[in-house]
Amino acid sequence: GENVEQHPSTLSVQEGDSAVIKCTYSDSASNYFPWYKQELGKRPQLIIDIRSNVGEKKDQRIAVTLNKTAKHFSLHITETQPEDSAVYFCAFLYGNNRLAFGKGNQVVVIP
Amino acid sequence: DTGVSQDPRHKITKRGQNVTFRCDPISEHNRLYWYRQTLGQGPEFLTYFQNEAQLEKSRLLSDRFSAERPKGSFSTLEIQRTEQGDSAMYLCASSFGPEGEQYFGPGTRLTVT
Repeated sequence: GENVEQHPSTLSVQEGDSAVIKCTYSDSASNYFPWYKQELGKRPQLIIDIRSNVGEKKDQRIAVTLNKTAKHFSLHITETQPEDSAVYFCAFLYGNNRLAFGKGNQVVVIP
Repeated sequence: DTGVSQDPRHKITKRGQNVTFRCDPISEHNRLYWYRQTLGQGPEFLTYFQNEAQLEKSRLLSDRFSAERPKGSFSTLEIQRTEQGDSAMYLCASSFGPEGEQYFGPGTRLTVT
């Protein structure tokens, strides 16, 4: 199936602290896992992705880790800044054709 | 701007009217996707094209919805006899190949009154 769950639904962090969002997916055949950031009224923006041949990928302050055995992957944001406040969606490629998205995590960075 | 573009950005229509949206993908991308997003939810897949061929449609896509990509470039999504439940953000995305990164357009927000 194309189910995906994100935890927690809302996350508040103090500016400068780290934020971690975990995503659990259902399709064990999937091999592509992107994260999107969506600010209010704007388009989903691809911020990082990972393919199943690696376990971790970093890009400046953000990183994604993948555990295919447990079927979960996580987004890590370090040294959070107010502009990191947004809704973050995890997704996985389902059936090699479409992205199946979670319901999103609201991240609030408190200055 | 070489990103995905959509037109119009907002559409308000009365129930029962027909509406059509347009999406222009990134020029070298051969895949084009339509998603729908409602408040508090992630995008939900509707349909996708590879070049001009429509290869898959979600069960969410009732027979009132039709999509085309006649020349393998821009795409249109038409909703006939709109219903209030059609109110949503309609997002278009494009990619190069099945496993290419999908980049989204700004969306068309449809309000059916």
